[in-house]
Amino acid sequence: AQSVTQLDSHVSVSEGTPVLLRCNYSSSYSPSLFWYVQHPNKGLQLLLKYTSAATLVKGINGFEAEFKKSETSFHLTKPSAHMSDAAEYFCVVSVPLSGNTGKLIFGQGTTLQVKP
Amino acid sequence: KAGVTQTPRYLIKTRGQQVTLSCSPISGHRSVSWYQQTPGQGLQFLFEYFSETQRNKGNFPGRFSGRQFSNSRSEMNVSTLELGDSALYLCASSGRDRALSYEQYFGPGTRLTVT
Repeated sequence: AQSVTQLDSHVSVSEGTPVLLRCNYSSSYSPSLFWYVQHPNKGLQLLLKYTSAATLVKGINGFEAEFKKSETSFHLTKPSAHMSDAAEYFCVVSVPLSGNTGKLIFGQGTTLQVKP
Repeated sequence: KAGVTQTPRYLIKTRGQQVTLSCSPISGHRSVSWYQQTPGQGLQFLFEYFSETQRNKGNFPGRFSGRQFSNSRSEMNVSTLELGDSALYLCASSGRDRALSYEQYFGPGTRLTVT
């Protein structure tokens, strides 16, 4: 069965320092993986996606993630945190269903706190 | 291009009542998915509609239902509300037939509180 595990429920960094949000996945197929961000009282915004092209994926706002099949990981990184990055981040795997359709399975989320 | 819109943004209902939530996808998008977000269970898939047909359904009781109109707008209905139905309900649209591998665009959500 497909699933994602976000290894940290809460991450705290200082502004200007690197960000690392960890995600492991489980999939019987070659997965499609995503990172979404949710700011308070807002919907989800797609940060980046991996769909079996380049293993290093660049997203918006300076975020990037590396797909490592051998480690079944898809960690999200950013070289330098900004105060506006404080939000909840979700690692997501797509699950294929019959009829060429599918659904998204979300991790439990990681809350990123950025300290001044 | 306008994003996904959801109405209403906030709702307060009483146990036993029913509620209807509305979602308007991005213009041109044909796939609409619904998700429930709660602190305890996180984000869970409810169902997906494409061209007025429900293609996929999550593991929710029959009290949760939905439909999609010819203009791709979608509604979800929850009957006989329970306290546990209090949640943020998110709608997402996708322009691709195979929504699996392509990004979904989310609306701001409807915050439902059941008292």
